[in-house]
Amino acid sequence: AQSVSQHNHHVILSEAASLELGCNYSYGGTVNLFWYVQYPGQHLQLLLKYFSGDPLVKGIKGFEAEFIKSKFSFNLRKPSVQWSDTAEYFCAVRGGNKLTFGTGTQLKVEL
Amino acid sequence: EADIYQTPRYLVIGTGKKITLECSQTMGHDKMYWYQQDPGMELHLIHYSYGVNSTEKGDLSSESTVSRIRTEHFPLTLESARPSHTSQYLCASRGQNRDGMTPNQPQHFGDGTRLSIL
Repeated sequence: AQSVSQHNHHVILSEAASLELGCNYSYGGTVNLFWYVQYPGQHLQLLLKYFSGDPLVKGIKGFEAEFIKSKFSFNLRKPSVQWSDTAEYFCAVRGGNKLTFGTGTQLKVEL
Repeated sequence: EADIYQTPRYLVIGTGKKITLECSQTMGHDKMYWYQQDPGMELHLIHYSYGVNSTEKGDLSSESTVSRIRTEHFPLTLESARPSHTSQYLCASRGQNRDGMTPNQPQHFGDGTRLSIL
């Protein structure tokens, strides 16, 4: 069975600080990897995805993620966060035809 | 603007009532899903459908049932609600690539329904 682990449940940063959210998964086969974001009061939106090719993936709003196969990781990064990045972030893995989400990381960016 | 709609957003109701959570999508997606999420927990798949008249149970056992009579509509029903059904329910859909293949398409989610059974 596949699983997804997000290490940080709550993160508080000041504006302009750098962000890295951890995501590790377990699955024996080929995976597709995703990061979703849910802003307060809104539905889940796709930030970025990895299917194949360059393991460094760039998404919307300045986010990027790096797939490290040997570490089964897909960490999300942003060099300089903004107050508007306050949201909950979900890592997701699809192995076969099954999509599994992590528990989410609540990010709060303070002015 | 969301292309996948769930109603109601919030529902507080007594034990024993029959409940139907609505989910509709306007994207013509063939695949639709229902997830359940408790606070602080990961999403769990409870039902999915790969097309009209096709429904399957997901990984998490659920007393709910679903139907798929039309492509755009995937309602979830609880015949007799209990407090253990209190949770958030998320509906999602996924379409096909232009070549008709389905791999590598992420899911689109609705806003969810927060259900509380008293």
